[in-house]
Amino acid sequence: GDSVTQMEGPVTLSEEAFLTINCTYTATGYPSLFWYVQYPGEGLQLLLKATKADDKGSNKGFEATYRKETTSFHLEKGSVQVSDSAVYFCALYSGGSNYKLTFGKGTLLTVNP
Amino acid sequence: NAGVTQTPKFRVLKTGQSMTLLCAQDMNHEYMYWYRQDPGMGLRLIHYSVGEGTTAKGEVPDGYNVSRLKKQNFLLGLESAAPSQTSVYFCASTLAGFNNEQFFGPGTRLTVL
Repeated sequence: GDSVTQMEGPVTLSEEAFLTINCTYTATGYPSLFWYVQYPGEGLQLLLKATKADDKGSNKGFEATYRKETTSFHLEKGSVQVSDSAVYFCALYSGGSNYKLTFGKGTLLTVNP
Repeated sequence: NAGVTQTPKFRVLKTGQSMTLLCAQDMNHEYMYWYRQDPGMGLRLIHYSVGEGTTAKGEVPDGYNVSRLKKQNFLLGLESAAPSQTSVYFCASTLAGFNNEQFFGPGTRLTVL
């Protein structure tokens, strides 16, 4: 079945540091890939998505590239801010008989001033 | 637009008690979902609905029931609460299709003693 593996957290960075959160997946066919973000006390929000190989999703300075050859969708940001502190979830949707989004376990990011 | 709202925000139950969680969306979305979020587990789908009057089981449906009598509302019921149902519950909706952006409510924190 489908699965998503994210790097274990928590991740603690200083402001303006470079961020990478690794995400790899197992899925049938050609899934769509997503990054969702959950700020403290809130529900999840879509951060970015990519629907085919080599697509790059981007939003709010975050980027992720759909790498079919390595089955990865790593999240990156060049310079994090305190306001980026949140939990980040990688997810996939493979369609067909799989009716749902499959989420990773989430990675807590804390950015210190 | 309020987006997706959930009622209540917090609730404490005793084992064996029943309750209903209400989710409402004002975006005219067809699909609605109920998830539970537990530490280190990511999000797991409980039940979902692809339109008014329809419901279907997700990956962890046992102990829960749902109803979608009106397009804008999706109710999650616990008939006889158990401590294992202590969790944060999120409702979400999409315009149509699991591949579209999911809009999440703020969550309901439920504790079962």
